[in-house]
Amino acid sequence: DAGVIQSPRHEVTEMGQEVTLRCKPISGHNSLFWYRQTMMRGLELLIYFNNNVPIDDSGMPEDRFSAKMPNASFSTLKIQPSEPRDSAVYFCASRGWTSGRRDEQFFGPGTRLTVL
Amino acid sequence: QQQVKQSPQSLIVQKGGISIINCAYENTAFDYFPWYQQFPGKGPALLIAIRPDVSEKKEGRFTISFNKSAKQFSLHIMDSQPGDSATYFCAASRGSARQLTFGSGTQLTVLP
Repeated sequence: DAGVIQSPRHEVTEMGQEVTLRCKPISGHNSLFWYRQTMMRGLELLIYFNNNVPIDDSGMPEDRFSAKMPNASFSTLKIQPSEPRDSAVYFCASRGWTSGRRDEQFFGPGTRLTVL
Repeated sequence: QQQVKQSPQSLIVQKGGISIINCAYENTAFDYFPWYQQFPGKGPALLIAIRPDVSEKKEGRFTISFNKSAKQFSLHIMDSQPGDSATYFCAASRGSARQLTFGSGTQLTVLP
């Protein structure tokens, strides 16, 4: 398996622009998580989905952030409008029953977002 | 109550030495305690994990020690190698959802 795939790997945008981050989880995994990593706040859970349904979005910082999972193999995290303080590395992770490791979250390589 | 406190923030160890990273939690509902390893430019990857029904788990050079009464757990890296240089995160979760609450991370440098 190719692991969790995220795109783009790097995104540079200007304040006020819309940003869309994409994630393809590991095939067969039924839970998907979006995290944000910054020096100041560390790794923060933004939202997680179970069987494509958003279960807990309490970590989403503001209404400017939204996430969708239209099917089991694709999720998006959108920021509109973006602000400089949104600059961070955004990780997607998935979890499932593959290889019996049901508790392990597998992280993607992340998207480094810079908002100018 | 959702916090996981991790120390030290950074750690420098000589090759062959023992690296020890500590974490403490408040929420007694946590029932799964993983450690993640992160190299620069990469996502975190699970290193080793423990449940509170055991006090120690060892996998190769990596050992988790767990003290349920003190609500503390630690990672021990024996015979530390330069290739172990990375950032280590402890985490905790509860319930079937397994939402992770991460510690602040420890940047480990192992000198050759």
